[in-house]
Amino acid sequence: NAGVTQTPKFRILKIGQSMTLQCTQDMNHNYMYWYRQDPGMGLKLIYYSVGAGITDKGEVPNGYNVSRSTTEDFPLRLELAAPSQTSVYFCASTENRGRLEYFGPGTRLTVT
Amino acid sequence: AQSVTQPDIHITVSEGASLELRCNYSYGATPYLFWYVQSPGQGLQLLLKYFSGDTLVQGIKGFEAEFKRSQSSFNLRKPSVHWSDAAEYFCAVPFNNDMRFGAGTRLTVKP
Repeated sequence: NAGVTQTPKFRILKIGQSMTLQCTQDMNHNYMYWYRQDPGMGLKLIYYSVGAGITDKGEVPNGYNVSRSTTEDFPLRLELAAPSQTSVYFCASTENRGRLEYFGPGTRLTVT
Repeated sequence: AQSVTQPDIHITVSEGASLELRCNYSYGATPYLFWYVQSPGQGLQLLLKYFSGDTLVQGIKGFEAEFKRSQSSFNLRKPSVHWSDAAEYFCAVPFNNDMRFGAGTRLTVKP
């Protein structure tokens, strides 16, 4: 198993540009999550999904969108990038609700 | 709401010395509690978890943690630290469909 994979590893965006962060897991987990990590702040939940076709907002969803058309994939979309979205983004998955066991390696995003 | 607090932002220990990282939780009932490690440039890796039962939990890489209800704590310990343990450590507790993470403790290991 590859576990949870994320692409790209790094990205620099200009203000107002859009992009999609990709996340794929091969463990057939129903629960998938997107977190952002800012220095000294721990991780904050952006969006999560409890299965294909079902998504919901987390603690900090503004400026982001997600979709879950398959069990494996959970892409995160930034429509109009802002400097406040400069962060490291982690995707995670689990077979048990709220008990995160598998994290991707992260995407480091800079918006200038 | 459930939450965790990690009082120490940064800890430095010498290689071979013992380690204890503090985590305090806020929750009425017995919580589920987790410790994760994040090496530089990497994602989080689950070290250990507590659900119920024995209050001393063994994890990977020689780590253990003890749940103490009277102190609302779940401190992470290791008897002898290795240079490769230098990383950031996060305590966390499930909350609804989320995990609430502490702010993290960065561990530096001196040779």
